[in-house]
Amino acid sequence: QVQLQEAGPGLVNPSETLSLTCTVSGGSMSGYYWSWIRQPAGKGLEWIGRIYSNGSSNHNPSLKRRVTMSVDTSKNQFSLKLESVTAADTAVYFCARNAFDIWGRGTMVTVSS
Amino acid sequence: QSALTQPPSASGSPGQSVTISCTGTSSDIGGYNSVSWYQQHPGKAPKVIIYAVTKRPSGVPERFSASKSGNTASLTVSGLQVEDEADYYCCSYGGTTTWVFGTGTKVTVL
Repeated sequence: QVQLQEAGPGLVNPSETLSLTCTVSGGSMSGYYWSWIRQPAGKGLEWIGRIYSNGSSNHNPSLKRRVTMSVDTSKNQFSLKLESVTAADTAVYFCARNAFDIWGRGTMVTVSS
Repeated sequence: QSALTQPPSASGSPGQSVTISCTGTSSDIGGYNSVSWYQQHPGKAPKVIIYAVTKRPSGVPERFSASKSGNTASLTVSGLQVEDEADYYCCSYGGTTTWVFGTGTKVTVL
């Protein structure tokens, strides 16, 4: 049974870079897309982007060029970096497989000094 | 890329049916058969209940059904149960390798 677990700092300073990692257990990363989605408190879901197991990626145009994603299939992990964060980036960040058939539990990230 | 439009809330008594709409455009819902629906209980991760417009994953009760017409997708929960009280989100492929979620609907079981 495939499981996903997000990890990263819960607090990030404004203007700095938010970095998160998602660890995949119970299955292979090969042949799948791996996505990041976020949800501000009390609000809806926003797709951030996805990365294929071979490293090719796509992201939400609304985030412009602030998003970088990477994948390390040897460690069964994929990562998200979001640059120049502001308070508007405060949210629960989820990782998910493919077209969101399996989700991690989410990790809360607060942007504040 | 704008969020798909859902009604903020819907409600029904146990045993009744409730239908949630999800309106997009010809560039997302209308252009692809890639609509999915998610159920999210408070403090939990979303769970897929419908994919590819009408398909139910294994383990999802048959009382969850969905359809699509033009630029609007719909989710129907028949025979409402207390545990169906949750937030529901639609999602569609948005073209140019992007995905877009709906604004979310809170379903209350009266």
